[in-house]
Amino acid sequence: DAEITQSPRHKITETGRQVTLACHQTWNHNNMFWYRQDLGHGLRLIHYSYGVQDTNKGEVSDGYSVSRSNTEDLPLTLESAASSQTSVYFCASSGTTSYNEQFFGPGTRLTVL
Amino acid sequence: GQQVMQIPQYQHVQEGEDFTTYCNSSTTLSNIQWYKQRPGGHPVFLIQLVKSGEVKKQKRLTFQFGEAKKNSSLHITATQTTDVGTYFCAGRGNTGKLIFGQGTTLQVKP
Repeated sequence: DAEITQSPRHKITETGRQVTLACHQTWNHNNMFWYRQDLGHGLRLIHYSYGVQDTNKGEVSDGYSVSRSNTEDLPLTLESAASSQTSVYFCASSGTTSYNEQFFGPGTRLTVL
Repeated sequence: GQQVMQIPQYQHVQEGEDFTTYCNSSTTLSNIQWYKQRPGGHPVFLIQLVKSGEVKKQKRLTFQFGEAKKNSSLHITATQTTDVGTYFCAGRGNTGKLIFGQGTTLQVKP
């Protein structure tokens, strides 16, 4: 069965360190998304991609970057982790039409000390 | 930019009571989706509404899309403990991007 996975599931890091969160999907979806979830804010879009070599900034992109070298993977990098980036991160993928639902990964809980 | 507001943020009900969450957009939407996130889990797609005034039902869940395509609601009849979780609406506007509301967290007392 097709799926979307994230790793690690939990991560503790220190302020200033570079951190990369992995996202891998086997749906063969062109669209991939990264969200962060914080109490009171719902799901906020960080970055998204509509295909290989395509990346776009979302509403809370400062301090984050992504790259899309193949269809299956969209890693999220925190260049220099800050305590404000402590959150739960969800990756999602979808088909290409505007009527497609998003399939979410299980999430990564990141703590920045 | 486009905003999607969802109320209430939290709702506690007694098992068997009804529950409604409301979603309002600052702009007209092409479609709206609803997702459910169980405690400790990830959002899972429930349904999509596309047409003005559309009403869809899934067992005890009733979803409505407003006539102006700027608001939507999810109503659960006779809640059960299995309904516990956070319900998100997500609207797609003229940018093509899906914008999520803040979610409504439902607690059900047995």
